[in-house]
Parts: sequence; C-alpha cells; structure tokens
Amino acid sequence: SQQGEEDPQALSIQEGENATMNCSYKTSINNLQWYRQNSGRGLVHLILIRSNEREKHSGRLRVTLDTSKKSSSLLITASRAADTASYFCATRYVSQGGKLIFGQGTELSVKP
Amino acid sequence: GAVVSQHPSWVICKSGTSVKIECRSLDFQATTMFWYRQFPKQSLMLMATSNEGSKATYEQGVEKDKFLINHASLTLSTLTVTSAHPEDSSFYICSAPGAGNQETQYFGPGTRLLVL
Repeated sequence: SQQGEEDPQALSIQEGENATMNCSYKTSINNLQWYRQNSGRGLVHLILIRSNEREKHSGRLRVTLDTSKKSSSLLITASRAADTASYFCATRYVSQGGKLIFGQGTELSVKP
Repeated sequence: GAVVSQHPSWVICKSGTSVKIECRSLDFQATTMFWYRQFPKQSLMLMATSNEGSKATYEQGVEKDKFLINHASLTLSTLTVTSAHPEDSSFYICSAPGAGNQETQYFGPGTRLLVL
C-alpha cells in the first residue's frame, strides 16, 4: 500500500494546549495536504504545502515539510474543543498524476 | 470556492441490489474525478480515477465489475455498486481537482451506504 503513516493514531489534550501530528510518506511528492474530518462528515481542506516549501502557516495551524526525511507535521496551537476531529495528511505523488493518497489519520480529542 | 455535491447523502438497500451514487462539480468542469471509500475509524482509500470520455482507472484490489464508474459529462461521475452486500457498507466520497494547476482537490460531502 502507498498509504502514508501518521502518528499518533489518537491524541487527547486539554483545551489551550498545542497538538502535534506527524505524517510520513514514501516517494517523491508534488505537495502534501492536511484535511480535517468531523465524525461521519466530509473532508475540510486545511492547508497545502508544496515540495519546495519547508513551513507554512494558516491561523493557528503550522505545517512543516522535511523532504529529506519524507515527513510532515501539523501543529495546532491553543487548541479548542471545536478542533476535536480526525486529521489526515494526503500526498500528491509525482508519479501518480493528480490523485491523493491519504495517511491513516490522527484522531484528536480536545477536552474543555 | 468550488463545490462538489454527492447524491444521495445516505442510502439503505437490500443485499443483492445495485446502488448508484452521483458526484457533481457544481460550478466548474472536471475531466477527472476520484472515488474513495472509508470504513469506520479508518482512512480514505482511493478506489478509482474517473475519466471523462474514457474508462476509469481502478486501484489494485478494486473490482471494476463490482464498482462501475461512468464519467458521463464534464460535471458528473457516477459510481454504481452492483449486487451490493453487507461488506460494501461504507462511506463513499468523491473529489475533483480544481482548475488551473489542479493542486487543490474539492471533496463531496460523502454518501453513506448501508446494505442489509
């Protein structure tokens, strides 16, 4: 399977704390994207980072990309109960056209 | 932003029947659409790439005769689950690349299928 690895699989924190999720992938990518999914719902696109970028910010989100280690991390600062969801990384591989391959996901629980 | 819709949002059917799921790009054209399946507590697994005007490309392990895909127009792709069985119960999600460099993909809200 080309599916990437994510860790941790589950993360439980208190409101106000930071949450860090990691994603690893296997071959050269065009870009890496992070998505959020609330239970039983569709996907919400959070942020896209290209292969030539190292860090990107969007509000309380910070994404880093290390192509030498084939890994990325998503940091959510000052978490809120509303951030409770599953988070997935998805990679767009150079050799695979436009399709996205999703990681296994991290289930984040933010307790008020 | 671009919107992708799916219909129906949920469906319950008897074992042995066929179910059709529609995926539409509402305000943009999509020559390519993607179909994913998601089981509870799991990630999205790419099933196939739907190509307008040509045959779909299926991922390894996905039965093309079981999951029929038709990309009828530049705004519509359909997935038909033929002779559905309880193990086909899942959340089916489609997506379409945006215009331009197509880096961003727009996801439909998903269709929940329950086969009894």
